[in-house]
Amino acid sequence: QQQVKQSPQSLIVQKGGISIINCAYENTAFDYFPWYQQFPGKGPALLIAIRPDVSEKKEGRFTISFNKSAKQFSLHIMDSQPGDSATYFCAAAQNSGGYQKVTFGIGTKLQVIP
Amino acid sequence: GAVVSQHPSWVICKSGTSVKIECRSLDFQATTMFWYRQFPKQSLMLMATSNEGSKATYEQGVEKDKFLINHASLTLSTLTVTSAHPEDSSFYICSARKVGAAYGYTFGSGTRLTVV
Repeated sequence: QQQVKQSPQSLIVQKGGISIINCAYENTAFDYFPWYQQFPGKGPALLIAIRPDVSEKKEGRFTISFNKSAKQFSLHIMDSQPGDSATYFCAAAQNSGGYQKVTFGIGTKLQVIP
Repeated sequence: GAVVSQHPSWVICKSGTSVKIECRSLDFQATTMFWYRQFPKQSLMLMATSNEGSKATYEQGVEKDKFLINHASLTLSTLTVTSAHPEDSSFYICSARKVGAAYGYTFGSGTRLTVV
């Protein structure tokens, strides 16, 4: 049972374009939604995160849109660059026994072509 | 700040031997550390959660006798893959939660384990 559904699994975008990755969740106990960027052979790095009481968060070229009623959230990468080529994971976290338990989406391999 | 160092980055071992992977928080104290496993082109799957000074909590389906976790201090957790077999070959990643931090974890750079 996939608690966090992510799509698409792969994405090719032209340089300068907008990359959009979507995620959906079922568990309403999730209260923190981070996005991670992972380059081959490296661990994930936190990119941007949002709490459910906010509908949008922007940091530089990265924007998270959050729709609490639909239980969906998405990552938009504006002016995509070849250096953005990586695998992106959405995640959802809930407090469990005093710490967050993080559930990851399946990942989206983004390729930005010149 | 908030750097997590994982060592080794990659390791090749013979089937039947044991391998120890270290996860260190370099500039903060980590009450809780997490161990993940990632197969090629797949997502991260949580294996276990370790709290300093107590036994690790393993996710369903993870053999606790095979994947020994020790979290002896607030800056170090180790994962030992015992009697490794080729099917244990994977990318193992740790993450750590800073003491007092409500949200957000820092991930290590991962360890590529190949069992031959």
